Amino acid sequence: DQQVKQNSPSLSVQEGRISILNCDYTNSMFDYFLWYKKYPAEGPTFLISISSIKDKNEDGRFTVFLNKSAKHLSLHIVPSQPGDSAVYFCAASAGSQGNLIFGKGTKLSVKP
Amino acid sequence: GAVVSQHPSWVICKSGTSVKIECRSLDFQATTMFWYRQFPKQSLMLMATSNEGSKATYEQGVEKDKFLINHASLTLSTLTVTSAHPEDSSFYICSASEQGQYEQYFGPGTRLTVT
Repeated sequence: DQQVKQNSPSLSVQEGRISILNCDYTNSMFDYFLWYKKYPAEGPTFLISISSIKDKNEDGRFTVFLNKSAKHLSLHIVPSQPGDSAVYFCAASAGSQGNLIFGKGTKLSVKP
Repeated sequence: GAVVSQHPSWVICKSGTSVKIECRSLDFQATTMFWYRQFPKQSLMLMATSNEGSKATYEQGVEKDKFLINHASLTLSTLTVTSAHPEDSSFYICSASEQGQYEQYFGPGTRLTVT
């Protein structure tokens, strides 16, 4: 059973608009959540993270929102740029040094 | 900061031979290193977790005698695919994390093709 789900395999957004990538989880023991960006044939690049004690974390154009009661988090990218086109993975961890459980990823395409 | 390198970036080998992939943390001490495998259009599949100086912990279904992992220092882990077969062809990615940190930093990956 998938503990981390990214239900949208793909998302297409116009340049300059907001991209919203969603992620749901089932394990209430997860206490840390991360977003990674991945280009083909490359390793994932860490983007932004959030602890379960927070509901929002912002870094430049990237903001992650966490709704613990709904077991849902989202990544907002605004404004979206063509260079943001990649696969975005949501990951969750229960305790530091624990394994990261990854979602299947959402492919974002930002059109000029 | 937090740079992880992998070598080689791609390798082609013949069936039955062994291949070693290196993973290095360049600017931090990696107390824990992870090895993943990614199939086309699929998510990252964790193969094993290794702590420096300890034996690796393998995920269910991963053959420890086939995928040998060594984490001899705080900056280097190696994955050796022994007696490789065509079905072992995949994209192998390592990651590393520091003591007490959640974030894992990934290497660029190694494309293995077994002919």
